[in-house]
Amino acid sequence: KQEVTQIPAALSVPEGENLVLNCSFTDSAIYNLQWFRQDPGKGLTSLLLIQSSQREQTSGRLNASLDKSSGRSTLYIAASQPGDSATYLCYKAAGNKLTFGGGTRVLVKP
Amino acid sequence: GAGVSQSPRYKVAKRGQDVALRCDPISGHVSLFWYQQALGQGPEFLTYFQNEAQLDKSGLPSDRFFAERPEGSVSTLKIQRTQQEDSAVYLCASSSKVGLKVNEQFFGPGTRLTVL
Repeated sequence: KQEVTQIPAALSVPEGENLVLNCSFTDSAIYNLQWFRQDPGKGLTSLLLIQSSQREQTSGRLNASLDKSSGRSTLYIAASQPGDSATYLCYKAAGNKLTFGGGTRVLVKP
Repeated sequence: GAGVSQSPRYKVAKRGQDVALRCDPISGHVSLFWYQQALGQGPEFLTYFQNEAQLDKSGLPSDRFFAERPEGSVSTLKIQRTQQEDSAVYLCASSSKVGLKVNEQFFGPGTRLTVL
């Protein structure tokens, strides 16, 4: 069974600190990897999509990297703000399967 | 509409009751996905439609779960004889692309189902 693991499950940082969120997967076969944020009571908002041929994507304070050989993706959020508090989910598409990680709940304290 | 919408947003059902959850995808999106998200966990894939064709239903947990998209736009997820373990948020997503390879999905707000 494909597994996508996100560690840590929860993270609390003071405002201004950089955030590093990890996503690891057991099967290196991959079409694309996507990072989402989920706010309580709301759906998922896409942050960054990395195709299998790419190594990273950047958008504003966000940077996501993909290392297929080690089965890992990392989401960096620079200079965190209280508005970054949410659950961050990674998702991997491979074959005909779509697999989400369990998420990392982030709290940025003012 | 501008995004994916789902209704109802909240549903409370008594055990054994049938429920129907609706998803309105972004207009023109050919792909539609259903996911089940238990509390504190990531979403789990249920089923995938390309237009009106249900190409993958491998994630449906039992034959009590049934999904349809008869005209290739609105989709309904039906759960028969609901059980307490069916309590979860049911998410719908749509995409303008076909299949999973080059895909960016847009998610609705979800329907929170509570089975008493």
